[in-house]
Amino acid sequence: TQLLEQSPQFLSIQEGENLTVYCNSSSVFSSLQWYRQEPGEGPVLLVTVVTGGEVKKLKRLTFQFGDARKDSSLHITAAQPGDTGLYLCAGAYLNTNAGKSTFGDGTTLTVKP
Amino acid sequence: DTEVTQTPKHLVMGMTNKKSLKCEQHMGHRAMYWYKQKAKKPPELMFVYSYEKLSINESVPSRFSPECPNSSLLNLHLHALQPEDSALYLCASSQDGPTPGQGARTQYFGPGTRLTVL
Repeated sequence: TQLLEQSPQFLSIQEGENLTVYCNSSSVFSSLQWYRQEPGEGPVLLVTVVTGGEVKKLKRLTFQFGDARKDSSLHITAAQPGDTGLYLCAGAYLNTNAGKSTFGDGTTLTVKP
Repeated sequence: DTEVTQTPKHLVMGMTNKKSLKCEQHMGHRAMYWYKQKAKKPPELMFVYSYEKLSINESVPSRFSPECPNSSLLNLHLHALQPEDSALYLCASSQDGPTPGQGARTQYFGPGTRLTVL
């Protein structure tokens, strides 16, 4: 069974602070997605990373894909209450027959005003 | 346009009822997915349709019956559900389906249907 470990599980910070969420695996990803989900809504795609070492920025969010394509991180600068939500990483492994996506357990982020 | 729509938004049904969930996308995607999500947990894959054919069934009980009438539509027929089936049901689509050796494509999710089984 291929596991995708996401940490931390819960994060509660004050507005203006920085934070990083991690997504790790022992297997190589062909691609990895980060999603943000609000309660009762569907996950919204933030980014897809494909190339090892890739860095993508989306306003205050910075996404990194590890050189070996086994890990990824999401860094938020100067967090705002609107960043509150469940952050999910989803990876597609190369060495599976079906090529299905595997989701991390998610990081529940609360940003207090 | 990266929109996937789902209806209804909310559904309450008894254990003897028959109901259907609907999903639609107009992005020209050829793969569509059904997921089940419990509170504070990640989505769990149920079914995948690729080019209108069922390609993955994650050992889902037969009381859930998927249907793909065409490449834009995906239905999930529900019959004789149990209270533990109450969850958020998510539909997603991708450009094409999971490809062995190449990994899954980026999936775009709909807003979900909140299902409550009494």
